Amino acid sequence: DAKTTQPTSMDCAEGRAANLPCNHSTISGNEYVYWYRQIHSQGPQYIIHGLKNNETNEMASLIITEDRKSSTLILPHATLRDTAVYYCIVRVNQAGTALIFGKGTTLSVSS
Amino acid sequence: DTGVSQDPRHKITKRGQNVTFRCDPISEHNRLYWYRQTLGQGPEFLTYFQNEAQLEKSRLLSDRFSAERPKGSFSTLEIQRTEQGDSAMYLCASSPQGFAGELFFGEGSRLTVL
Repeated sequence: DAKTTQPTSMDCAEGRAANLPCNHSTISGNEYVYWYRQIHSQGPQYIIHGLKNNETNEMASLIITEDRKSSTLILPHATLRDTAVYYCIVRVNQAGTALIFGKGTTLSVSS
Repeated sequence: DTGVSQDPRHKITKRGQNVTFRCDPISEHNRLYWYRQTLGQGPEFLTYFQNEAQLEKSRLLSDRFSAERPKGSFSTLEIQRTEQGDSAMYLCASSPQGFAGELFFGEGSRLTVL
């Protein structure tokens, strides 16, 4: 699986958009970008995934650059409950392939 | 609650003792994963089951660790002769047939080895 690079930490004011970047310059053509988050003392939670097109769901938007070497997870209106560690993972969309987590980005949302 | 259930949530044991964790996946999820997470690190993959078959094991799964999923439903993770380095959160996740990307995680079992 391709390696990802994320900032260690980021801060965001409540109500503002949180933009979390991820670099994956060695991503292969058949690898997807997945985002998970982990709130303190809980298991990781799936947020969103995509291949090449931008994606949006009720939780977030995923913007993938045209060359697919980087992506940005956008939380449009961050709340205190969005304070968590956010993991960017790239892997093939093949059943049974384990997700390999890095250290992620710790997002702190403050009022 | 129909999510992934793990038991016990917390376990404190003395070095050298054996411990067993149980995971009940979401009903009808045929894939089950075990991860380990230490403080400040992301979850590390340990092993994966499809139904009752253990299809993949990480090199992190030493011979003191054994996982089973005897009837393709719940799973157990046993650690024999625990060491202080085994102290961690043990996470279980499951996923359904046909969708590869979304894993549903339980809240984990925290092990402290004294």
